[in-house]
Amino acid sequence: EIVLTQSPGTLSLSPGERATLSCRASQSVSSNYLAWYQQQPGQAPRLLVYGAATRATGVPDRFSGSGSGTDFTLTISRLEPDDFAVYYCQQYGSSPPLTFGGGTKVDIK
Amino acid sequence: EVQLVESGGGLVQPGGSLRLSCAASGFTFNNFGMSWVRQAPGKGLEWVSGTGYNGADTYYSDSVKGRFIISRDNSKNTLYLQMNSLRADDTAVYYCAKGVGIRPRWYFDFWGRGALVIVSS
Repeated sequence: EIVLTQSPGTLSLSPGERATLSCRASQSVSSNYLAWYQQQPGQAPRLLVYGAATRATGVPDRFSGSGSGTDFTLTISRLEPDDFAVYYCQQYGSSPPLTFGGGTKVDIK
Repeated sequence: EVQLVESGGGLVQPGGSLRLSCAASGFTFNNFGMSWVRQAPGKGLEWVSGTGYNGADTYYSDSVKGRFIISRDNSKNTLYLQMNSLRADDTAVYYCAKGVGIRPRWYFDFWGRGALVIVSS
């Protein structure tokens, strides 16, 4: 089973600032099959990025994913009010179990 | 518009059973794998179970293997999760999620709003 470790646990930033979220895998993620999700309080997760770097339909271009192998990054170039949320990475490069990281909360400084 | 609507959640005693349903619409249900993902109160996301487009292949996390059964009825566009021998640590919101990718390597492009399951005496 691939374990995903997200850091930091909480990121305190101001609107307009850049956010950099990390997701590290315990072993290489095949074909860079790594997705990112955003979850607002009381809501279901929303897909942001798949294949490590491809934005999902309708996702603003201020969100970008990068990385390969065991190290992946989600960058939000300029935080907007709606971006303060919890973010999860998920690997789908190996047969089940599919695994999620523990999450990074981006909150308002 | 894709919609996934879960039902069947509620309060159940330890050792009891519950069946969740997920009614799907807005896409060709029998073309896609589906999964259940849960979230315990204040915790992160945990993949629970998944099934391929025709229900022939099923997959489970170790935490529910032998207790939960996933199934689907493509004639009704509905996904199910039969949960048996429930324990307190099964308490969570259970999300139905539409899978994308080559079975069983899925990511999830649409999610339901979730069904709350509380296991308590």
